[in-house]
Amino acid sequence: DTGVSQDPRHKITKRGQNVTFRCDPISEHNRLYWYRQTLGQGPEFLTYFQNEAQLEKSRLLSDRFSAERPKGSFSTLEIQRTEQGDSAMYLCASSLRGGSTDTQYFGPGTRLTVL
Amino acid sequence: QKEVEQNSGPLSVPEGAIASLNCTYSDRVSQSFFWYRQYSGKSPELIMSIYSNGDKEDGRFTAQLNKASQYVSLLIRDSQPSDSATYLCAVNWVTDKLIFGTGTRLQVFP
Repeated sequence: DTGVSQDPRHKITKRGQNVTFRCDPISEHNRLYWYRQTLGQGPEFLTYFQNEAQLEKSRLLSDRFSAERPKGSFSTLEIQRTEQGDSAMYLCASSLRGGSTDTQYFGPGTRLTVL
Repeated sequence: QKEVEQNSGPLSVPEGAIASLNCTYSDRVSQSFFWYRQYSGKSPELIMSIYSNGDKEDGRFTAQLNKASQYVSLLIRDSQPSDSATYLCAVNWVTDKLIFGTGTRLQVFP
C-alpha cells in the first residue's frame, strides 16, 4: 500500500495561466476526493468521484475548475485562468466505499502559489 | 449551514499532561467522526475515527462521542512535544464528504 500520491508538490504560476494537478489514490480505493485548504482554515470540500463518476461538486467551485477521473483510477484537477485567490493547498483523499470504514486518507497535497 | 466548530487555540500543555480537544457539530444526521493531525505545511493524517456514542481508545488517544449533545472530543494522554500540531475535527455527512473545523493548535512544552 503506497498511499495517496499527488503531483506536483508545489506549483508557482502567474495569474491567468492554467494549471493541472494529478492525484493517484490508494490502489483499491474506489472513491476519490478533492479539497482545498487555505492558511488557518480546515480543508474545504471541492468534489468527489466514485470510480469514474463525479458524484458531487461544491457550489463554491467556480466554472474555472474542472476535475476528471477518466478510468476510475487517477484524477486530475484543472484550474483555468488562475487568480491570486486560488493560492492554496490542494488536497486529494481516497476511500473504499463498501469497505468496513469510510475513512479518507490524504495525499501530501499540491501547494499552489499564484503571482 | 452545516458547521463543525473548534476552538482555534493555541492549547498549551506541559509534557506528560493530558490534552483535551473539543469539537461540536450542527447536524444530527452525521454518521462518522474523525480526528486528523496536521503538522505545519503537511497534509492531514488520520488519528482516530469514531462512529457510535461512547469512548474509543487507541494507544495514548481516546475519542469520545456524544450524539445527543452533538459533541466529539479527543484526549491525548502523556502528551509529548511531538504531539504539537493542529488537530482537525471532521464530520462525514450523509453524502460522504468531510466537513472540517478550523482546527485546534496544540503546543506541548517540555
